[in-house]
Amino acid sequence: QVQLQESGPGLVKPSGTLSLTCAVSGASITSTNWWRWVRQPPGEGLEWIGEIYHSGSTNYNPSLKSRVTISIDKSKNQFSLNLTSVTAADTAVYYCAKQSLVGSSNWFDPWGQGTLVTVSS
Amino acid sequence: EIVLTQSPATLSLSPGERATLSCRASQAVSTYLAWYQQKPGQAPRLLLYDASSRATGIPARFSGSGSGTDFTLTISSLEPEDFAVYYCQHRSSWPQLTFGGGTKVEIK
Repeated sequence: QVQLQESGPGLVKPSGTLSLTCAVSGASITSTNWWRWVRQPPGEGLEWIGEIYHSGSTNYNPSLKSRVTISIDKSKNQFSLNLTSVTAADTAVYYCAKQSLVGSSNWFDPWGQGTLVTVSS
Repeated sequence: EIVLTQSPATLSLSPGERATLSCRASQAVSTYLAWYQQKPGQAPRLLLYDASSRATGIPARFSGSGSGTDFTLTISSLEPEDFAVYYCQHRSSWPQLTFGGGTKVEIK
């Protein structure tokens, strides 16, 4: 059973960098699927941030592309998210998720439990 | 970019009733659409993919239909645990992944 677990600081100062890690268990980070980040501001909907393949290939949401970097650490079976120049608008629950390979393979399953990151001084 | 519009924003129903949720795409997306359920304080869970295929472990009371621009998630008889927020999702013009705004199914 694949499980994902997010970790990182719960509080980041404005203009700083948000850094999160997603530890993967039950599957190899080198398996043939994309690894993804999604966020959800309090009381709002879901926003895809970006994704990475084990080769290092990445895709990012155009609205965040200039501030986002997703990387992968094969030795630790984990992947990470860096978001620079954060503002209060980046306050959200951040989820990591695995690309589901069922059907046309465009889905998210499973998801991590999520971690709340607050941007505040 | 394809925009997904969900309606209604809130659906107030009683246990045992039938729920019908809509997701409309701004352009045709074939059947490349998924539905997720999110309960308070929890991560979303994949319910249906490719418009009508149930994910592993999803009860048969959940069904999906549609193709092109109009999609429907139907819960045939609401159980207490079904009251939640539901999102549709599509992979639009590569590589963008988009979600609808969500429909909250609440207890009437």
